[in-house]
Amino acid sequence: AQSVAQPEDQVNVAEGNPLTVKCTYSVSGNPYLFWYVQYPNRGLQFLLKYITGDNLVKGSYGFEAEFNKSQTSFHLKKPSALVSDSALYFCAVSLGTYKYIFGTGTRLKVLA
Amino acid sequence: DTAVSQTPKYLVTQMGNDKSIKCEQNLGHDTMYWYKQDSKKFLKIMFSYNNKELIINETVPNRFSPKSPDKAHLNLHINSLELGDSAVYFCASSGAGGGQPQHFGDGTRLSIL
Repeated sequence: AQSVAQPEDQVNVAEGNPLTVKCTYSVSGNPYLFWYVQYPNRGLQFLLKYITGDNLVKGSYGFEAEFNKSQTSFHLKKPSALVSDSALYFCAVSLGTYKYIFGTGTRLKVLA
Repeated sequence: DTAVSQTPKYLVTQMGNDKSIKCEQNLGHDTMYWYKQDSKKFLKIMFSYNNKELIINETVPNRFSPKSPDKAHLNLHINSLELGDSAVYFCASSGAGGGQPQHFGDGTRLSIL
């Protein structure tokens, strides 16, 4: 079965420290991979995507993600966390044009 | 201008009632979606529509009936509401092709009493 896994329910990091939110996937073929962020009482907002090419993808708000085909991972990173980065983060995979599978979400808490 | 807008934002109703949620996007996208987010924040796709046509129905009960009058609108009607329908429902849209990001509305919180 095709799936997306986010192994950590919550990640805590001190402000100013680097952060990593993990995502692994199990899909056939070459996936399209996405990261989204959700703030309280809001819809998901697109951060970045990997289609093809360079394994390091840069996105909004200073976030980047590293695609690793051999480990089937797409981890979200930021060099220096801000308190305002605290939110719920979702990894997603596109299975063709009309269907997306989302991970279970990781709550990021940045401590001042 | 809000790209994807849903109404109402909150919906509180009794079990057994029928209710509708409306969604509109002004992004010119051909594809629209409905998602359900449960209390644990798990997000599951319900329906995908492309240019007013149903493409994906993810084993959603017949009580849920989406309707797309044009490609900018995708409404969701729910009959005979049950307690398990309590959730946040999100509408989204995207451009053509699998590599396109989705744009989400801010959700409709449905509470069944």
